[in-house]
Amino acid sequence: DAGVTQSPTHLIKTRGQHVTLRCSPISGHKSVSWYQQVLGQGPQFIFQYYEKEERGRGNFPDRFSARQFPNYSSELNVNALLLGDSALYLCASSLVGRAYEQYFGPGTRLTVT
Amino acid sequence: AQSVTQPDIHITVSEGASLELRCNYSYGATPYLFWYVQSPGQGLQLLLKYFSGDTLVQGIKGFEAEFKRSQSSFNLRKPSVHWSDAAEYFCAVGPQTGANNLFFGTGTRLTVIP
Repeated sequence: DAGVTQSPTHLIKTRGQHVTLRCSPISGHKSVSWYQQVLGQGPQFIFQYYEKEERGRGNFPDRFSARQFPNYSSELNVNALLLGDSALYLCASSLVGRAYEQYFGPGTRLTVT
Repeated sequence: AQSVTQPDIHITVSEGASLELRCNYSYGATPYLFWYVQSPGQGLQLLLKYFSGDTLVQGIKGFEAEFKRSQSSFNLRKPSVHWSDAAEYFCAVGPQTGANNLFFGTGTRLTVIP
């Protein structure tokens, strides 16, 4: 079975622009979480979506938003990009009832210049 | 507030030597505990997890971890390190109830020398 997939792999944007990152969970997984990993740090929780509804949100500004589609794939959107948004964005999926067993994708490396 | 401390930023060990990576956590209740490994340019791979029961848990790739409630620790160990174990290791905690987000430590980078 395919693991969690994310696209694009790398992305370069300019300050003030908007970006959309995509994630496809493992087949059968209905929960998707997003994390931001700044260089030299551990991942930080941004959002969790389950059954297309937001179930949790980390300490991130409203410039960050996400949604989940009927096929359980997910998008993370970031508006008005700042230099500090440069990071590896990780998506994780999990089974219903086993939300702690999160399987991570390879991430999208976002560089804001 | 929740926090995870990995006091060793970088550890270097010889191939074949034993390894112990430290993790301490601060939490309001007993959390779920995890160790993940991240190779360069890769996502995170779950090595092992502790939910309840036996405090010594076995994971993949020959890793094990021991939960010590009295010390709020969850240290990762491996008896004999292989060159392929060189990577970044992250300890994480998650609440047993409520939101399902994970809190990660800042990681320990492992270098393996021949």
